[in-house]
Amino acid sequence: DAGITQSPRHKVTETGTPVTLRCHQTENHRYMYWYRQDPGHGLRLIHYSYGVKDTDKGEVSDGYSVSRSKTEDFLLTLESATSSQTSVYFCAISESTRDRGGRWPVNQPQHFGDGTRLSIL
Amino acid sequence: GQNIDQPTEMTATEGAIVQINCTYQTSGFNGLFWYQQHAGEAPTFLSYNVLDGLEEKGRFSSFLSRSKGYSYLLLKELQMKDSASYLCAREDDKIIFGKGTRLHILP
Repeated sequence: DAGITQSPRHKVTETGTPVTLRCHQTENHRYMYWYRQDPGHGLRLIHYSYGVKDTDKGEVSDGYSVSRSKTEDFLLTLESATSSQTSVYFCAISESTRDRGGRWPVNQPQHFGDGTRLSIL
Repeated sequence: GQNIDQPTEMTATEGAIVQINCTYQTSGFNGLFWYQQHAGEAPTFLSYNVLDGLEEKGRFSSFLSRSKGYSYLLLKELQMKDSASYLCAREDDKIIFGKGTRLHILP
């Protein structure tokens, strides 16, 4: 299994509070991703990173920010959590075999962490 | 997931064969992933197709037709442990997942 650790695994918090989720990898993979998964919507990309300090938005990035100061860590922050952000959050990593101008890798599958179940009351 | 369609649920019998279809928008298409996800767990990679045709991996096979925007995942000799959701994911300059197909296996 790919070495991916998400923390915390579960969190309950109140609306309006800041929340930070951490993804840590031991594979030295270039690409890291944050997804949320909700019933009826499937997996949706929030943000991704293609290198240290290099990040970009996904399809549902509003209300979220990310940071990647080291290869191994990718942080997802909800500055002021809302009930609509209650979800299961997955981190994923992938290796790059072709550099298409710093964009997406090809032919390399993503490996997922075990997920963080976040409840915002 | 945008521009990706797969059935919401399917039911099959242990020992049988089941085919899970996925249709997607063809513009900018690069490749097609299939993932398996058991309830409460993370998705795990099953297959990746970039060329037309069938790729076989043990009991699982995946087919792609680029011109038709169509893929399927074929599961043979179904086992109870195959009860899971199967996610189709389209790759262009990013990877977009379908909503997944929940497969129920009956004894």
